[in-house]
Formats: sequence, structure tokens, C-alpha cells
Amino acid sequence: QTVVTQEPSLTVSPGGTVTLTCGSTTGAVTSGYHPNWFQQKPGQPPRALIYSTTNKHSWTPARFSGSLLGGKAALTLSGVQPEDEADYYCLLHYTSSWVFGGGTKLAVL
Amino acid sequence: EVQLVESGGGLVQPGGSLRLSCAASGFTFSHYWMTWVRQAPGKGLEWLANINEEGSQTYSVDSVKGRFTISRDNAKNSLSLQMDSLRVEDTAVYYCMRGTVGAPGFDFWGRGTLVTVSS
Repeated sequence: QTVVTQEPSLTVSPGGTVTLTCGSTTGAVTSGYHPNWFQQKPGQPPRALIYSTTNKHSWTPARFSGSLLGGKAALTLSGVQPEDEADYYCLLHYTSSWVFGGGTKLAVL
Repeated sequence: EVQLVESGGGLVQPGGSLRLSCAASGFTFSHYWMTWVRQAPGKGLEWLANINEEGSQTYSVDSVKGRFTISRDNAKNSLSLQMDSLRVEDTAVYYCMRGTVGAPGFDFWGRGTLVTVSS
């Protein structure tokens, strides 16, 4: 069974930079997995941030960026704001289906 | 303004059925892939199923194959999820999500509808 892996939790200071990663038990994540990233705050539906590895939506803040890093998909937040504290989920494409990672709880302290 | 509004959730007994709907507005519904995603209480997101623009191709996760059926009515701008043989572990908030055009991905989400499976 395919598992998409994410760091369970990360902590970053306001103004700092943090990178969240998204791996696959099938091997290295490539652009062919079309990584997507979502942010979810308590009591709210998820919000899309990044699609197909690097593409931002019109509402995605400039401080968020997507990439491939060391065989994983990555979401980097530069100049973190207190409002970035949230759960972050990646989503990878496998042949005819998609699989979410378990999510990363990001604390801004 | 793109809007996705789910409905049809509620309390159902194990083994029962429920049909969820997602009403779409603010865009040309027939031009987009659509997807259902769920989130159990306090848990992460789970991709369930998607359907192409015409409704001729559907894909679903193994855990719901044979029990859940995704469909769409482009004339009514509506996406559906027929859920049969429901289990306690199907208890979750169910979201519909729109696919992007051009590159594979997703953009807009609805606010979700809660399904509770309990006796």
C-alpha cells in the first residue's frame, strides 16, 4: 500500500524559513507525481496553495513556494507569519488515483 | 465567484446508504474534473474519488470501491457521491474539490458536509 510521508510536526519562529517535505514509499517523488499542497486551519476546509510541484494559485502568498528536494516534494515558507500556523497536507498522483500525506502541523512560536 | 456547496450529510446506521451532493456555481462545471475528499474527526485528509469532465471516467480509492459511486449531472451543475454499505469508519466530513485546468491539481473546495455512521 502506497504511503505518502510528511513530518508530523515542525516549529518555526516568526520571520524564519521552514521547509516541509512530502515523500513516497514507492521511491523518489518526481514532477510526474504532480505534488499539490494544502493548508488547513482549525474549523476550516483546506485551502489549495500549490499545484503540479511549483504552480501557485492567485491567492497563494508569495512567501510560499513549491519544489522538489532530495527525492521529495517540498513546500518552503520564507518569512513565516503567525497566521501560517496550520496543518499542511501534500497530495501525490499515482496512475489513476491520488494519495494525501498524513499532514504536518506547523507551529509558529 | 466559484462556489461549491455540499449537502446530504447526516446520521445513518451501519449498513445504510446516503447520497451526497455538491452544487457548483460561478464557473463552467462541465469543463472541470471533480473530486471527493473526506476527513475523519481529528484525522487527516483522504482522497476518495474523482470524475472527468464528461462523467465517462471515474477513479476511486480501494477502501470505497464497490460501496461508493461518484457521478455528475452537468446540466444541473451537480456532483454526487452515492454511499452504500456504510461503516462506522466512514464517519467524516466530506468535501468536494475542483480540479485545475492545464496542469494536474486542485483549486477550490467546498465547506464540507458531516456524515456520521452510528447505531
